[in-house]
Amino acid sequence: GQNIDQPTEMTATEGAIVQINCTYQTSGFNGLFWYQQHAGEAPTFLSYNVLDGLEEKGRFSSFLSRSKGYSYLLLKELQMKDSASYLCAVLDSNYQLIWGAGTKLIIKP
Amino acid sequence: GAVVSQHPSWVICKSGTSVKIECRSLDFQATTMFWYRQFPKQSLMLMATSNEGSKATYEQGVEKDKFLINHASLTLSTLTVTSAHPEDSSFYICSAAGTSSYNEQFFGPGTRLTVL
Repeated sequence: GQNIDQPTEMTATEGAIVQINCTYQTSGFNGLFWYQQHAGEAPTFLSYNVLDGLEEKGRFSSFLSRSKGYSYLLLKELQMKDSASYLCAVLDSNYQLIWGAGTKLIIKP
Repeated sequence: GAVVSQHPSWVICKSGTSVKIECRSLDFQATTMFWYRQFPKQSLMLMATSNEGSKATYEQGVEKDKFLINHASLTLSTLTVTSAHPEDSSFYICSAAGTSSYNEQFFGPGTRLTVL
C-alpha cells in the first residue's frame, strides 16, 4: 500500500529553526510537495522536489532523498504566523497526490 | 496567476436537502479538478477526480450518487451533495491542476458545510 508518515505535532519557539520530516512508500514517484494549511483555510503551496537535494526559498527549505524515501521541510527564523499544519504529499506513478496526515506546528513566544 | 475560487464559502442546510458547491479556475484552464473533504484535525481526503467533459473518477468508499460532480467547462466544476445528512458536515475543498510542468494543484479557499 501507499503510505506517508510525518509527525502529528511539533512545538518550537519564535525565532528558532524547526525541521519537519516526511517518509513515504508509494507506487512510483513523480515529485513531493509541501503545503501549509492554517486552521479553517485551504492548503497553500510551499515547495516541490523531484530531484535529490535541497531547495531553498526564503525562510523555508525542502530536502529530498529519493533513495531513502525521505524529505524534510526546514523553517528558519520562526514567526508566530508560521503556526499551521504542514502537509507532505507525493505524486505517484499515476500522477495521483498521496497525502500525509499533516504536522501541526505550534510556535511559542 | 493560478487562482481558484469556491462558492459558497460556508453553507448551513437542513437534513435531506441538496447543496451545490462551485469551483472555478479564474485565470487558467483546468482540464482536471479534484474534490477533497477534510474533517476536523484530519488530513485531506480525495473524494474524486474530475476531468472536463467526462465522468468523474471517484475514490473507494465515496458514493457517486450522493456526491454528484459535473465538470462542464475548463474553468468550472461543481459538487452537489444530495440529501445531505449531519455526517456530511465537513470542509470541502477543490483544487485544479495547474499548467506548471510539475502538476501542482492550486486550491480553492474551501466550503464549510454544516448540515443540521
